[in-house]
Amino acid sequence: EPEVTQTPSHQVTQMGQEVILRCVPISNHLYFYWYRQILGQKVEFLVSFYNNEISEKSEIFDDQFSVERPDGSNFTLKIRSTKLEDSAMYFCASSWGSNTGELFFGEGSRLTVL
Amino acid sequence: TQLLEQSPQFLSIQEGENLTVYCNSSSVFSSLQWYRQEPGEGPVLLVTVVTGGEVKKLKRLTFQFGDARKDSSLHITAAQPGDTGLYLCAGPNFGNEKLTFGTGTRLTIIP
Repeated sequence: EPEVTQTPSHQVTQMGQEVILRCVPISNHLYFYWYRQILGQKVEFLVSFYNNEISEKSEIFDDQFSVERPDGSNFTLKIRSTKLEDSAMYFCASSWGSNTGELFFGEGSRLTVL
Repeated sequence: TQLLEQSPQFLSIQEGENLTVYCNSSSVFSSLQWYRQEPGEGPVLLVTVVTGGEVKKLKRLTFQFGDARKDSSLHITAAQPGDTGLYLCAGPNFGNEKLTFGTGTRLTIIP
């Protein structure tokens, strides 16, 4: 069964360092997303991406964040200068259509900022 | 932003019992999804309900969408330890692609 894969599964970094989280969405999906979940809190929307550009972003997704689809398969989230409060599980998701709510999530990348 | 409140927040019951968890909002949703999340993993889609009043069954799980499309419930019959997990409702906001997640119900089934 097709699945969304994410790497790394866990990354520990020092505050101020750059981090890149990688995702391979399901191949025939057109919409790509990043969500995050701080420990014990709700899953929160960060950004959606369609047709090689950001289609929507939340107030969390400030100038420190960027996304890219460098080739036909990978979808990356970059955090330029990590802060302590960026520590969270970051989930990549993909879907074939927008506004369906039927997202397929990866297993997540746990980011720990020290 | 449309908000989704789930209740109860935590639920711990014996194997074999029945349970219902609720997802409520003051806003209308075009559809609602239910996801289950295991520790350290991403949410996994269980079902989508679209029509007001719709009922969908997935083995021992019964999902209902409220008539006004503002709320939903998940009923589990004869709960099994394998049902343990975090149950999340979620819905797409009108006019955009953002999926709003509920606060979650953490369910523990005791063998």
